[in-house]
Order: sequence, then C-alpha cells, then structure tokens
Amino acid sequence: NAGVTQTPKFRVLKTGQSMTLLCAQDMNHEYMYWYRQDPGMGLRLIHYSVGEGTTAKGEVPDGYNVSRLKKQNFLLGLESAAPSQTSVYFCASSSGTAYSNQPQHFGDGTRLSIL
Amino acid sequence: GIQVEQSPPDLILQEGANSTLRCNFSDSVNNLQWFHQNPWGQLINLFYIPSGTKQNGRLSATTVATERYSLLYISSSQTTDSGVYFCAVRPYKLSFGAGTTVTVRA
Repeated sequence: NAGVTQTPKFRVLKTGQSMTLLCAQDMNHEYMYWYRQDPGMGLRLIHYSVGEGTTAKGEVPDGYNVSRLKKQNFLLGLESAAPSQTSVYFCASSSGTAYSNQPQHFGDGTRLSIL
Repeated sequence: GIQVEQSPPDLILQEGANSTLRCNFSDSVNNLQWFHQNPWGQLINLFYIPSGTKQNGRLSATTVATERYSLLYISSSQTTDSGVYFCAVRPYKLSFGAGTTVTVRA
C-alpha cells in the first residue's frame, strides 16, 4: 500500500545545479500538488495539477517548473538551484474536482539542501 | 487568500494530560484536515473534518464551519504524541496554519 512516494528522500546540491524531484501515486488521483515547508512554518503550495497534461501555479511558484506527463507522476524541477530553495518538499494527491472536499494524501517529503 | 491561525503555538504537556488545539480560519471552507508531523518529518493524516465531530482513539476533532473554527482534542497524552500539529483548510487550494508544537514529557 504505497500511496504517495517521493524520490529522492535527501539531496544536496550546489548553487546553479539542476535537479528533478519525482512524485508517484498509486491511488488513481486526478489532483497532485507540490509544497515546500520552511523551518517553523506550515506548507506552502508551489504548483499543482488537476489532471494529466495540466499544471498551474500555486502560492510560491518562482524558480520551479513542473510536468504531469502521466497521471500517476508529478515532477518538480529546479533549473538553477539557489540557497533560498533549501527546504523540505512534500508531494500530495487527492481525488475529486476543483472545489471537491476530498482529503489530500502526502508523501514523506524530500529534504533538499542548496550550498 | 484565506487566513489560518492556530493556537497555542507551543504546548508542553505531562504524560497523561489532556489538551485542546484550536484552528481559526477566515472564510468558508469545504475541506479541513488535521495533520501530525512527527519528529521524523512525516505528515500523518489525523482527520478530514469539514464539519461535525470525529473520534479516533485518544484523538477527536470538532469543526464548527459556521463559526469558522476547528478544535483538536488530545486525551491521555503520550510521548508519541509529540510533534507539530497542523490544521489545513481549503475552499480550493489547501492553506496551512503555522502549526502547534506539542511536547509531551514522561
């Protein structure tokens, strides 16, 4: 019973490097989300997707890109990593429509450090 | 956007004590979730409770949507209850409060 799986769990990058975080869900959910969590704060939405082939900006989208080529996968990319992007990244998924009241299910997070 | 305020910000409990955490939100919502973030950073779904009352073991939650608040009750607290408790709401996109850090001492 995997649920939402994030890869990798930890990563250290140098400023200017690029990388992609992978999120996979096996619940056939339409909606997927990427959040970041900074120390002492709640989660903030970076980007989200309402279905395969669609993406939209969240609260803090700058410096990130996303793709949803397959329904079960949602990729978060950093083209040129900056120290301000050091954070814990969470992926989530949910069923339902835009204004649906379905709960979101979260992965275990990816700890990313940018030196 | 919608504002979510959690109180208290920090809570220290002796094992066995009861406590109440509060979440206030600034607008109507159709989704409210309580999460526990354990010391390893994992987010654990506690309740999905846009309205009404639910109970799960020693935890229970009540949401009064018309008055825009939700309460999380922890009874007979245990050291494993330590961590950060988040309330998150959405009319559309999930908005998180800043959390309540709970420390339960043996």
